[in-house]
Amino acid sequence: GENVEQHPSTLSVQEGDSAVIKCTYSDSASNYFPWYKQELGKGPQLIIDIRSNVGEKKDQRIAVTLNKTAKHFSLHITETQPEDSAVYFCASYNTDKLIFGTGTRLQVFP
Amino acid sequence: DVKVTQSSRYLVKRTGEKVFLECVQDMDHENMFWYRQDPGLGLRLIYFSYDVKMKEKGDIPEGYSVSREKKERFSLILESASTNQTSMYLCASSLNAGTGELFFGEGSRLTVL
Repeated sequence: GENVEQHPSTLSVQEGDSAVIKCTYSDSASNYFPWYKQELGKGPQLIIDIRSNVGEKKDQRIAVTLNKTAKHFSLHITETQPEDSAVYFCASYNTDKLIFGTGTRLQVFP
Repeated sequence: DVKVTQSSRYLVKRTGEKVFLECVQDMDHENMFWYRQDPGLGLRLIYFSYDVKMKEKGDIPEGYSVSREKKERFSLILESASTNQTSMYLCASSLNAGTGELFFGEGSRLTVL
């Protein structure tokens, strides 16, 4: 079945710097790749997604890139702010369900 | 504002007890899901349902069952709780199956002693 690997598991950056989180998937048939942000004490919330017919998508300070050939996709956060501190999950949709990565804890220091 | 409500934020149960985790959504979504969240393992799908009375096993269904008698309510049942079921449980719903946005509840943290 599909397997999603996510790196790094923790990431610390200074406010204003960029942060990049990377995921790889195993099944070339996967066609939808969302990213979820989980703040402390809350459930995950969708922040951006990309479909397999698109290479890049941006929404203000966040962007996602997809390389279908290499089977990996990445989340880019520019000009990080303390409120970006959270756990981020990537996911891959395959056949009939989403498979999530193991999560990245991002800490943004003022 | 869309809302997925999990009835209990924190529960402490004894080994062997029957545990019910309730989830209600107010968005008229067809699809509902139960995930388990553990450090280093991410979110793992336990069961899901695409319609009332319908249920499908996810990746880790062993030791769990579900009930969906009404569209808005999806219950997770632990027939005989064990210590390895100590975890955070997240309920979610979506309008579109598969590639639609998941709306999560705030989670139920279960401790089994």
